[in-house]
Amino acid sequence: EVQLVESGGGLVQPGGSLRLSCSASGFTFSNYAMYWVRQAPGKGLEYVSAISSNGGSTYYADSVKGRFTISRDNSKNTLYLQMSSLRAEDTAVYYCVKDSCSIGSCYYFVYWGQGTLVTVSS
Amino acid sequence: EIVLTQSPGTLSLSPGERATLSCRASQSVSSSSLAWYQQKPGQAPRLLIYGASSRATGIPDRFSGSGSGTDFTLTISRLEPEDFAVYYCQQYGSSQLTFGGGTKVEIK
Repeated sequence: EVQLVESGGGLVQPGGSLRLSCSASGFTFSNYAMYWVRQAPGKGLEYVSAISSNGGSTYYADSVKGRFTISRDNSKNTLYLQMSSLRAEDTAVYYCVKDSCSIGSCYYFVYWGQGTLVTVSS
Repeated sequence: EIVLTQSPGTLSLSPGERATLSCRASQSVSSSSLAWYQQKPGQAPRLLIYGASSRATGIPDRFSGSGSGTDFTLTISRLEPEDFAVYYCQQYGSSQLTFGGGTKVEIK
């Protein structure tokens, strides 16, 4: 059974930093691209970042480019999102998401984590 | 960036009725690279449709997707009580993935 479990969310002051982790199990982690998608309270879904299966390629939404860094440790089956220079508008539930295809990428998503809440406030 | 506009914002219907949800893209979505998701309160989204019209595994056949280019539609043929939720479209035809703003299907 595929499981994606996020951790690391919490309350942080504007300008602060936070690192999210996503522990993956139930599939061969190193074969899949992985993503972070966020959802502000009461709002819609927003793509944040993506990383290829071997970590060699990364992609970011313009809203987080230069502030967030996605990475992965395939030996630990773990995905990360390092967030810095956080703003109030970064407040959201952050979902860890698995690509649906193991060869190349499909860019649509069957498996999502339960999400971790990041609140940026003084 | 491709902007997806979903309409209506809210759809008020009764169980058994047909729901028609629209997703319009600001530019053509290549290769019909469009997906639909369902989200209930407190839950992660659930994939319903990919490739504009292919149902994901385990999705009932009352859900169907259609469209191409800039206009896409999700149809729920007969609403079941568990179908009342928020629905999002997502395009993946460009490197910047984007989601629509959502349509809430509520009980009338």
